[in-house]
Amino acid sequence: GENVEQHPSTLSVQEGDSAVIKCTYSDSASNYFPWYKQELGKGPQLIIDIRSNVGEKKDQRIAVTLNKTAKHFSLHITETQPEDSAVYFCAASRDSWGKFQFGAGTQVVVTP
Amino acid sequence: EAQVTQNPRYLITVTGKKLTVTCSQNMNHEYMSWYRQDPGLGLRQIYYSMNVEVTDKGDVPEGYKVSRKEKRNFPLILESPSPNQTSLYFCASSLYPALNSPLHFGNGTRLTVT
Repeated sequence: GENVEQHPSTLSVQEGDSAVIKCTYSDSASNYFPWYKQELGKGPQLIIDIRSNVGEKKDQRIAVTLNKTAKHFSLHITETQPEDSAVYFCAASRDSWGKFQFGAGTQVVVTP
Repeated sequence: EAQVTQNPRYLITVTGKKLTVTCSQNMNHEYMSWYRQDPGLGLRQIYYSMNVEVTDKGDVPEGYKVSRKEKRNFPLILESPSPNQTSLYFCASSLYPALNSPLHFGNGTRLTVT
């Protein structure tokens, strides 16, 4: 089955700097890669996703890149702000499969 | 407001005492799923349902049961809870898995089994 590894487990950045989180997956049939942000006491919320027919996707300060050959995808947050502090999860799935495999999560702390 | 509602938010119980965690969504989503979140392990899928009366095992189904008798509800049942089921549980729904349809999560149920 699918296995998703996520690094780093914790990331501390200065406000205004960039943050990068990387995930690797094992199942070459996976074709959908969402990223979720979880704030304290809440459920995860989708922040961006990418499908396997696209190499990069941007939404304001957030971007995701996908390398299908190497089977890894990354989340990039630019100009970080204190409200970006949260736990971020990557995930992998494929159409009609019903299963989502999540990474172990990255605790991001943005210090002023 | 579109949402996934879980109840209760917090639950403390003893080993062996049957319990049910309810999950309800008001978005007419076909797909629903349960996850448990443990430190260092991320979110692990327990069970999922592609539609009414259709349920399948996720990665960690042992010790859990689910049912999907109607579209909006997907309760999680622990027939005989054990301490290793102490965890943070999330219910999620989606219009359809993948296909650019995001998972919507509830706010979680923190379960402690003593």
